[in-house]
Amino acid sequence: QVQLVESGGGLVKPGGSLRLSCAASGFTFSDYYMSWIRQAPGKGLEWVSYISSSGSTIYYADSVKGRFTISRDNAKNSLYLQMNSLRAEDTAVYYCARGANGGDYWGQGTLVTVSS
Amino acid sequence: DIQMTQSPSSLSASVGDRVTITCQASQDISNYLNWYQQKPGKAPKLLIYDASNLETGVPSRFSGSGSGTDFTFTISSLQPEDIATYYCQQYDNLPHTFGQGTKLEIK
Repeated sequence: QVQLVESGGGLVKPGGSLRLSCAASGFTFSDYYMSWIRQAPGKGLEWVSYISSSGSTIYYADSVKGRFTISRDNAKNSLYLQMNSLRAEDTAVYYCARGANGGDYWGQGTLVTVSS
Repeated sequence: DIQMTQSPSSLSASVGDRVTITCQASQDISNYLNWYQQKPGKAPKLLIYDASNLETGVPSRFSGSGSGTDFTFTISSLQPEDIATYYCQQYDNLPHTFGQGTKLEIK
């Protein structure tokens, strides 16, 4: 069955960096676009970024453009989100999802807390 | 960015009731709309895609309709396990914006 497992979240100071990972299994990872979507505590959902199956097409929300980098390793069935220059407003649960148009499968999420 | 306006923001209904949530897009998005269900502490679950197509395995009491700017999500007979927050999301234009959510409670 399809599984997406995020990791790498934690507490980081403003201005710091984190790298999130999403390990995929149960489907042919290299066939699918993948997305990151986040949810601030007690708030709604915000689309962050997506990457095409080959990695050649990438889009970001304006709120993270220039600070976050999405990437993938199809040989390792893994999706990544490198987050630099983190701000308090980046505090959220970060979900990876299969697909570019939202997601038909989502991971359980990993919490990123940006605080001094 | 396309704004997605959901209403109501919260809703209280009884088991067996017909429940309707609406989502309005700030511009024409054709039928490029998803509906998700999110239970507390869990990831969202895709219920409806392309505005009216039921995701595999989703009970038939859930349905969606609409195109252009106005969309409707319906639960034909509310069950206790349907208590959750529901979100619409457009994927016609980037960024793929979500509605603010509708929190559904049992009366």
